[in-house]
Amino acid sequence: DVKVTQSSRYLVKRTGEKVFLECVQDMDHENMFWYRQDPGLGLRLIYFSYDVKMKEKGDIPEGYSVSREKKERFSLILESASTNQTSMYLCASSLSEPEAFFGQGTRLTVV
Amino acid sequence: KQEVTQIPAALSVPEGENLVLNCSFTDSAIYNLQWFRQDPGKGLTSLLLIQSSQREQTSGRLNASLDKSSGRSTLYIAASQPGDSATYLCAAIMNRDDKIIFGKGTRLHILP
Repeated sequence: DVKVTQSSRYLVKRTGEKVFLECVQDMDHENMFWYRQDPGLGLRLIYFSYDVKMKEKGDIPEGYSVSREKKERFSLILESASTNQTSMYLCASSLSEPEAFFGQGTRLTVV
Repeated sequence: KQEVTQIPAALSVPEGENLVLNCSFTDSAIYNLQWFRQDPGKGLTSLLLIQSSQREQTSGRLNASLDKSSGRSTLYIAASQPGDSATYLCAAIMNRDDKIIFGKGTRLHILP
């Protein structure tokens, strides 16, 4: 079974902190994605990556950056966390013939 | 730009009934259409994947259909059970860039 693991289920951070959300997949997938999910807005794509060291902006990249130094790991970085970044963050991976697999989610609260 | 719409946003039905969840998309240049289930506070679990060359997929009590020409997919749940209560999301996976575009989901509640 494909496994996508997000490093934390719950995080509480202070405004202005630098926050790292980690995602690891174990099936050698090329594509990896970061989404945030908010009530009434659904899942919105923040960034995605087709390969190591490659990244593409999604629909809402402002305030975020990403890093993909190894194929299995895709990190989402909040450079200076703000309260409007309180959300559920979901990581996904897929092959080039894509079926997407998701992690369990990280619920981030910025206070 | 691809837009994915799910109707209804919420649905309550008595246990044992068959039901249909609807998903529509504006851009037919999709690679796959995937249905997910999400329980409160949890991640997404893949239910069914329909490739663009297929018309339907079945898994147990679930059947998903795809009509690319009309931009529609449906998820049919037979003999619903309280354990089916969850939010169901459909996602279109695009040909040109592998992007995954989601609908906002249908929140399903099965009444015991």
